[in-house]
Amino acid sequence: GIQVEQSPPDLILQEGANSTLRCNFSDSVNNLQWFHQNPWGQLINLFYIPSGTKQNGRLSATTVATERYSLLYISSSQTTDSGVYFCAVNGNQFYFGTGTSLTVIP
Amino acid sequence: DTAVSQTPKYLVTQMGNDKSIKCEQNLGHDTMYWYKQDSKKFLKIMFSYNNKELIINETVPNRFSPKSPDKAHLNLHINSLELGDSAVYFCASSQLAGELFFGEGSRLTVL
Repeated sequence: GIQVEQSPPDLILQEGANSTLRCNFSDSVNNLQWFHQNPWGQLINLFYIPSGTKQNGRLSATTVATERYSLLYISSSQTTDSGVYFCAVNGNQFYFGTGTSLTVIP
Repeated sequence: DTAVSQTPKYLVTQMGNDKSIKCEQNLGHDTMYWYKQDSKKFLKIMFSYNNKELIINETVPNRFSPKSPDKAHLNLHINSLELGDSAVYFCASSQLAGELFFGEGSRLTVL
């Protein structure tokens, strides 16, 4: 299967700081998604981004499919950004990374 | 309207019991999934159905049996529950390899 590696595994930020989360994958993929699992356990779709760049408010994502990585940018972080961020890629099935656990402190 | 809904959200049961979790999606997707998320947060695929046909069956004990009566529903039945089955079970759906959407999860606790 496709290996998906996310970094860093854990991140603590002061409110207002910016951060970059990375997702590397080992093979060509049909699509790539970023999810946020909030402290209540809900998995929320952030971006569906097989390639290119997308922005949604303070969040943006870039996928460089030819180099097999994607980046999630969080600007002006808020405490509500806390949770686990997962990257998932699809080859013949969906493969998930082990996540980046983000804690934003006030 | 909830796109992917699963019930119940919480189950607490004794070892050895049998339990079922139901899932329904109203997105018109052809493909549905069950994932297990353990205490370390890793999301592991268990099963995938495309238009009622089983297409992915990962290494899961035979005590777990999925059933898809139609493409909008995928249920999970678990026999003879064990302590190690305690986890959060997520249902999800997609249109083939398109965007994946998750339900809110069902937290199973086996005592």
